Amino acid sequence: NAGVMQNPRHLVRRRGQEARLRCSPMKGHSHVYWYRQLPEEGLKFMVYLQKENIIDESGMPKERFSAEFPKEGPSILRIQQVVRGDSAAYFCASSPTAGSGGTEAFFGQGTRLTVV
Amino acid sequence: DAKTTQPPSMDCAEGRAANLPCNHSTISGNEYVYWYRQIHSQGPQYIIHGLKNNETNEMASLIITEDRKSSTLILPHATLRDTAVYYCIVRGTGTASKLTFGTGTRLQVTL
Repeated sequence: NAGVMQNPRHLVRRRGQEARLRCSPMKGHSHVYWYRQLPEEGLKFMVYLQKENIIDESGMPKERFSAEFPKEGPSILRIQQVVRGDSAAYFCASSPTAGSGGTEAFFGQGTRLTVV
Repeated sequence: DAKTTQPPSMDCAEGRAANLPCNHSTISGNEYVYWYRQIHSQGPQYIIHGLKNNETNEMASLIITEDRKSSTLILPHATLRDTAVYYCIVRGTGTASKLTFGTGTRLQVTL
């Protein structure tokens, strides 16, 4: 069973471009969580999605950021019109349930976004 | 905000047990205690979790106090590769199932 797969691992974008980050959860996992880690800082929650639904987007910036988790395919975190402050590592985690019964959530290796 | 308090840093000699404490005095009855670690800037690695009973797996042991207000992660024989930031997290269910990371404990394992 492959782990959580994120791609690309490294992404360079010029200011004003769009960044699309993909997260393929583990097989059988229908819950996905996205996190951002700025350089030398901790992990900050961004958004929690279940198939085709956004459950909690309390950590998402109000503008330029969006996320989806379609019925088929990976979850996508989209950043429009990137700015230098968006440079960070973006991690996703997947879980088979919403924590009920104490199920594990596993993380991918992240996408390092650099805005130049 | 994170519902846990951890010491910012700890040292441990290689081969000795590393005991990492965590306070979670406001934990609710249906919330679990999870431990993760992050080595350098890699993705957080799941270690162990528990509700109220002590738990053990191939990586570590988790000791939860009877009142569930604190816990201790034990790495029985620390190695240099265990040097990392360790996070203790209280996780709810459903819409509260996100993992909220605090500042963690930076464990340095030395020769």
